[in-house]
Amino acid sequence: QVQLQESGPGLVKPSQTLSLTCTVSGGSISSGSYYWSWIRQPAGKGLEWIGRIYTSGSTNYNPSLKSRVTISVDTSKNQFSLKLSSVTAADTAVYYCAREVQLWLFGYYYYYMDVWGKGTTVTVSS
Amino acid sequence: SYELTQPPSVSVSPGQTARITCSGDALPKKYPYWYQQKSGQAPVLVIYEDSKRPSGIPERFSGSSSGTMATLTISGAQVEDEADYYCYSTDSSGNHRGVFGGGTKLTVL
Repeated sequence: QVQLQESGPGLVKPSQTLSLTCTVSGGSISSGSYYWSWIRQPAGKGLEWIGRIYTSGSTNYNPSLKSRVTISVDTSKNQFSLKLSSVTAADTAVYYCAREVQLWLFGYYYYYMDVWGKGTTVTVSS
Repeated sequence: SYELTQPPSVSVSPGQTARITCSGDALPKKYPYWYQQKSGQAPVLVIYEDSKRPSGIPERFSGSSSGTMATLTISGAQVEDEADYYCYSTDSSGNHRGVFGGGTKLTVL
């Protein structure tokens, strides 16, 4: 059974770059029609999709974050990563990594997350 | 921009039916997926492809869509169903931007 685990610094200074890694275990990151995604959730607020990557390196980003986000994949390590630059206190959140399934149904592409990591809290503060 | 709208809260007594709605202009074409998030935990998929339940999700959870609204129904809600529920879909741009509804806090008491 595939499991995901986020890792990275829990504290980042304003204006710096937040860097997180998600390690995939129990299966290969390269197998199947899966994308690998990042989602975040500020304390007491809702979920926000950040972006996704396919193992080919193809990415999709939330337009509201696109100028600051980079998602990359390292298939040799079975990991994918998130970098968010120029962070502010508004980027303080629990960050989740997830496996995202892509389907073609009824003339549309569907995406949904079927496996999630437990999440890691990142605080932006000096 | 593509948005999904949910009521902030729904409250029922144990054993009653809880209905959580998700509305969006694109829903007649694309149904959403539904997630349950209990306090301090990661979200869990409870409904996919409009009305299907993943393995391990109780039969009391069901989904449906009509027009621009999708509904998650919990028939005979239990205390353990108390959680935040989110609908999720993607827009139809080439970017397939992921969009969550604002979330609905279900209280069962």
